[in-house]
Order: sequence, then C-alpha cells, then structure tokens
Amino acid sequence: QVQLQESGPGLVKPSQTLSLTCTVSGGSISSGSYYWSWIRQPAGKGLEWIGRIYTSGSTNYNPSLKSRVTISVDTSKNQFSLKLSSVTAADTAVYYCARERLQDDAFDIWGQGTMVTVSS
Amino acid sequence: QSVLTQPPSVSGAPGQRVTISCTGSSSNIGAGYDVHWYQQLPGTAPKLLIYGNSNRPSGVPDRFSGSKSGTSASLAITGLQAEDEADYYCQSYDSSLSAPVFGGGTKLTVL
Repeated sequence: QVQLQESGPGLVKPSQTLSLTCTVSGGSISSGSYYWSWIRQPAGKGLEWIGRIYTSGSTNYNPSLKSRVTISVDTSKNQFSLKLSSVTAADTAVYYCARERLQDDAFDIWGQGTMVTVSS
Repeated sequence: QSVLTQPPSVSGAPGQRVTISCTGSSSNIGAGYDVHWYQQLPGTAPKLLIYGNSNRPSGVPDRFSGSKSGTSASLAITGLQAEDEADYYCQSYDSSLSAPVFGGGTKLTVL
C-alpha cells in the first residue's frame, strides 16, 4: 500500500527557508489520478492546506501563502518537496504531506507529519 | 477564521448518537463540491473517514455516516465508543479561493 514519509530539519531560524521532502513508497508519484499536497497544523489548531503539485509539475498554492511557497516534484526519486521562505514563528507547525484525489479533492493518504519549529 | 464552520466541541455518552455540523457557502459546499470528513486521534495524522459526502472508505465502521444539504454537511456517529474521542474535520473545495478548504475542527468528548 502507498505510504508517505516527510523528512527535513525540525528547527529553522526566522527569515530563513523551510525545506521538507515527502517520499512516496508502495506506488508511483507519476500516477495520473492524484495531486500531491502539503498541509500544516499549528499546535492545538486546525488544518491549513499549503499547496499541491501534479506529476506534470503543475502547481496550486494557498493564496495566503502563495508568495512564499514553492512545491516541486522529482519523479525519478518518487518525491515531492516544499520550500517556504521568510519564515516566522507563525510558521511553526506539524507539516503533513498527503495524497489528494483528482476526482473529488479528498486527501486519502497522509504522512505521519513532521514538527517544524521556527526559532533562533 | 476557517472557510467552513464547525462547532468547537461536542460530547456524548457511550452508546449515544452525536452529530457534527459543517457550514459553508455558495462558493464551496453550496456550489456542489464534495464534503469529506477526517478523524484525527491524539498525536496522529488525520485519517479519511467519509468521502464524497456520504461514502465510507474500507475499514470505517458503519457507525459513521455523512450527509450534505444546501450549503451544509453533517457527520453522524452512532453507538458512541470511547475510541471515537478525537478531533473531526470537514473539508471541501472552494471555487473563489481555487483551493481545498477545511473546517476549524470539532473535538468530540465521550463522557
């Protein structure tokens, strides 16, 4: 079965760029039936969609984060990545990668999540 | 401020039935986009509970059901069990934002 695993630094300094990678196993990221998304959750708060990428490289971003977000895909490694620039303490959260179905935009598979703290 | 509105908390005794509402607008639920529900147990990632308004993925007990009408949707849980204590989120798509959107989440407490 398909599994997703986030990886990357758990601590990022203010004003720097947060970089995370999601590795897809048990299936191909090149499947045409899915988007590959990033979602975050500050401690004790709700879920916020950050953005997504299709296997072709086409991207969509949350309008509130669009100026700072870049999502890319490496089909040879079966991975997709998130870069969030100019981070502040407000970007401290658990970051999840998830598979999003094209047919109905449901997130059917999630990674376990990775905690990222923005602090000097 | 979430695009979809959920009550912050609901509670019920074991065996009882509870419902969680999710209210949207004409640019998301009211526009005909599907509503999905997720269950997040403490310290874990969300899990897809209901998709396409009322469908259960394989392995989800039939105690969980979903419905949609107009600009709102609901999640119903019957025969409450202690293991149902979790946070529940609704999700849809918003055409104005061109983005998937979530509700603020509802904490279910089993008394």
